[in-house]
Amino acid sequence: EPEVTQTPSHQVTQMGQEVILRCVPISNHLYFYWYRQILGQKVEFLVSFYNNEISEKSEIFDDQFSVERPDGSNFTLKIRSTKLEDSAMYFCASSVERGNQPQHFGDGTRLSIL
Amino acid sequence: AQTVTQSQPEMSVQEAETVTLSCTYDTSESDYYLFWYKQPPSRQMILVIRQEAYKQQNATENRFSVNFQKAAKSFSLKISDSQLGDAAMYFCAYTLQGAQKLVFGQGTRLTINP
Repeated sequence: EPEVTQTPSHQVTQMGQEVILRCVPISNHLYFYWYRQILGQKVEFLVSFYNNEISEKSEIFDDQFSVERPDGSNFTLKIRSTKLEDSAMYFCASSVERGNQPQHFGDGTRLSIL
Repeated sequence: AQTVTQSQPEMSVQEAETVTLSCTYDTSESDYYLFWYKQPPSRQMILVIRQEAYKQQNATENRFSVNFQKAAKSFSLKISDSQLGDAAMYFCAYTLQGAQKLVFGQGTRLTINP
């Protein structure tokens, strides 16, 4: 069964550095998402992406964050200047449609900011 | 704002027994979808079951079933004949018709005792 894949599984970065998290969504899916989960807290929506543009974003997704689909397969989340509070598990997801169609999640990238 | 609450941080059950995980949500909308996702340790979130709010009939997937009480805004998950492989973090989630983001509960960690 096709899966969403994320790389790396764990990223350690110095505060203030840029980081790029990578995701390969399922190939026939049209909607792409990033969520994050700070340790001990809820999974929170960051952003959704459709037709090569952001379709919805949360208050968390400020100017430090950006997303891109640089080619036909990858979907990336960039954090421009990382802060300690960006340490979290970041999940990528994709779906065929929005709404009732289930989102398929990757294994996540654990981001640790030192 | 929509919120999802899982009041049981941890649950345990004997193998082969039945367990029910609770979930309540708050919304003023009438057209939405509810999901239960399972996240085994160090693995991706997998969809367990989903329910359309307009359907009165409770969804069932093999050993997994829901008790959807729309008026009470309750969406509990029942796992029958629990198996060791059911041990995981279970997340309840909600999305509006036509929306893209999932709103998650805090999760319930389920332990299966052999």
